[in-house]
Amino acid sequence: AQTVTQSQPEMSVQEAETVTLSCTYDTSESDYYLFWYKQPPSRQMILVIRQEAYKQQNATENRFSVNFQKAAKSFSLKISDSQLGDAAMYFCAYRSPTGTASKLTFGTGTRLQVTL
Amino acid sequence: NAGVTQTPKFRVLKTGQSMTLLCAQDMNHEYMYWYRQDPGMGLRLIHYSVGEGTTAKGEVPDGYNVSRLKKQNFLLGLESAAPSQTSVYFCASSHKAGGYNEQFFGPGTRLTVL
Repeated sequence: AQTVTQSQPEMSVQEAETVTLSCTYDTSESDYYLFWYKQPPSRQMILVIRQEAYKQQNATENRFSVNFQKAAKSFSLKISDSQLGDAAMYFCAYRSPTGTASKLTFGTGTRLQVTL
Repeated sequence: NAGVTQTPKFRVLKTGQSMTLLCAQDMNHEYMYWYRQDPGMGLRLIHYSVGEGTTAKGEVPDGYNVSRLKKQNFLLGLESAAPSQTSVYFCASSHKAGGYNEQFFGPGTRLTVL
């Protein structure tokens, strides 16, 4: 079974600075999908960014980008120009290829604090 | 579109009581899921469904039952609630087609069992 590890329970960043949240996973599959979800205090889970393992280019969505290292099984999230609204829990998630009901395996999350 | 909705948003039960959580989606998604979220443990899959009339067990199914009589609805039942089932419950849905199959989440239900 796949496992997802987020080794940083809490992180803090100053407004306008850059922060990187780490995520590692364990799998024997060659193709899969990786996601970062944001959960603000409202509890709503919001997709931040996604990456397919076969795509070598790192995904980018505005201020959010990933560093995907397939051989190292690492999928870190970089947030640039941090804003107060970025304060939230961030979850890394893994999904096997189609045929497994698109089930997600989540990490335990990283709580990000943004300070002035 | 409302997306994924959950009813109720909050509930307090006494040990041994039963209840049903309702999830509804208006995106015509084939797949639906129920997760529970506990502090320090991320989201864990309870049950899921790949289509109307089908259900399957996830990672932590004990103490829960589900039904999917209509494509747009996925019900989660607790027959005899226990304090260990105090948690936040999330419903999600996704398309069946290939690709990212992003899961869309509901707003969650906070359940407390006394």
